[in-house]
Amino acid sequence: GENVEQHPSTLSVQEGDSAVIKCTYSDSASNYFPWYKQELGKRPQLIIDIRSNVGEKKDQRIAVTLNKTAKHFSLHITETQPEDSAVYFCAASRGASYDKVIFGPGTSLSVIP
Amino acid sequence: DGGITQSPKYLFRKEGQNVTLSCEQNLNHDAMYWYRQDPGQGLRLIYYSQIVNDFQKGDIAEGYSVSREKKESFPLTVTSAQKNPTAFYLCASMAPGQSYEQYFGPGTRLTVT
Repeated sequence: GENVEQHPSTLSVQEGDSAVIKCTYSDSASNYFPWYKQELGKRPQLIIDIRSNVGEKKDQRIAVTLNKTAKHFSLHITETQPEDSAVYFCAASRGASYDKVIFGPGTSLSVIP
Repeated sequence: DGGITQSPKYLFRKEGQNVTLSCEQNLNHDAMYWYRQDPGQGLRLIYYSQIVNDFQKGDIAEGYSVSREKKESFPLTVTSAQKNPTAFYLCASMAPGQSYEQYFGPGTRLTVT
């Protein structure tokens, strides 16, 4: 069945450094790739997403890249801040309305002041 | 912080008892989802519903049941057949149209002893 792998499972960086989280997916029909952030004790929230017709998308300090040929996509956070500390989930879906979304296992990011 | 609500926040049950988790949304979303979250395993899909009176099994549906009698409500019943029911349960809904963002509820932590 469909599967999304995510690495690393934990990541610790110094404040101001960059953080990169990588994901691979198995369903070649996937064309929508969201990233969710879950702070401790809170619900997951969408922070950025990308569709298969673009290779990169940026929103302030956050960027996502997509390589459809290799079936992998990555989240890049620059100039990390303590409030970036959270669990990040990548996901993949076929993008059709109401299609199921397959989530990766998550990356716990700690930003050390 | 309204939109999609889950109740209760914490739930305790004895082994062998069925228990129903509530999920309500006032976002007028057609699609609703139930996920189970365990440490290190991300979000695993239990059931999802694209429209009233219709629902599909996700990846880990065994031991769970759902109903979708109203657009606003998608309750999840954890039956005694679920071998390891203790977990954090998240409900989500998705808007129709071009956005595929999932909106999550605050979650219910179920403990079965």
